[in-house]
Amino acid sequence: EVQLQQSGAELVKPGASVKLSCKTSGYTFSNYYMSWLKQMPGQNIEWIGNIYGGNGGTGYNQKFKGKATLTVDKSSSTAYMDLSSLTSEDSAVYFCARRDVYYGLFDYWGQGVMVTVSS
Amino acid sequence: DIQMTQSPASLSASLGETVTIECRASEDIYSNLAWYQQKPGNSPQLLIYDANSLADGVPSRFSGSGSGTQYSLKINSLQSEDVASYFCQQYNNYPWTFGGGTKLELK
Repeated sequence: EVQLQQSGAELVKPGASVKLSCKTSGYTFSNYYMSWLKQMPGQNIEWIGNIYGGNGGTGYNQKFKGKATLTVDKSSSTAYMDLSSLTSEDSAVYFCARRDVYYGLFDYWGQGVMVTVSS
Repeated sequence: DIQMTQSPASLSASLGETVTIECRASEDIYSNLAWYQQKPGNSPQLLIYDANSLADGVPSRFSGSGSGTQYSLKINSLQSEDVASYFCQQYNNYPWTFGGGTKLELK
C-alpha cells in the first residue's frame, strides 16, 4: 500500500525557515517524482514544484522559486521541503503528493501539514 | 500560466440527484485534465484523469467529459459520501494549475 506520511504541524515566527518532511512507503521511491502543493484556508491549491526520487532533479513553479527548496533522501525514501523567509502569506496547509509516472497529476497524497506563521 | 475557472463555486443538491460541475481553461489543454475530491479535513483524492478516465476504485457514478477548453464532472445519483469540494487541474503546461474548487453540499 502506497503511503505518504508528513511531519506534524508547525508554528514558526516571521522571517524564520521551516523544513517539512514526507516519508514514503509501499512503492519504489526512486522511480517517481514527488510534488509539493500549497492550500491556503478555503482556497485554491497551488503546485509548488517537484523532485525526482532517483536523482534529485527538480522543477519549480516560478512563483515559489526562492521560497521553497526541495530535496530527497533516497536511503529513507523521504522527501523534504524547506520554506524560507516566512511571512503570513506562507501560512497554509502543505501537501506532498506522488506524481503519476507519465503525467502531471497526483495519484497519492500525504495527509497535509499546517504551517502557521505568527509572532 | 493557464487559468482554470470552475463553476459553480458552491452547489446544494438532494440525495439521488445528478450534479454537474464545469471547468474552463484559459487555453486549449488537450484533455490533460484531472478532477479531485477533497472531503473536509482530508487531502484531495484523484477521481478522473485525461478528462474522462476513472481512477482506480472510484465509483462509476462519477464521470468526466470535455475537450479543448471546456470540461465537466458529473455525479449521478448523489450519495451522502459525495459531500466534498471538487477541484479540476490541468497538466498540459507548467506550472500545473487548479481550479478554485466547487463545494458540494446536501440540500
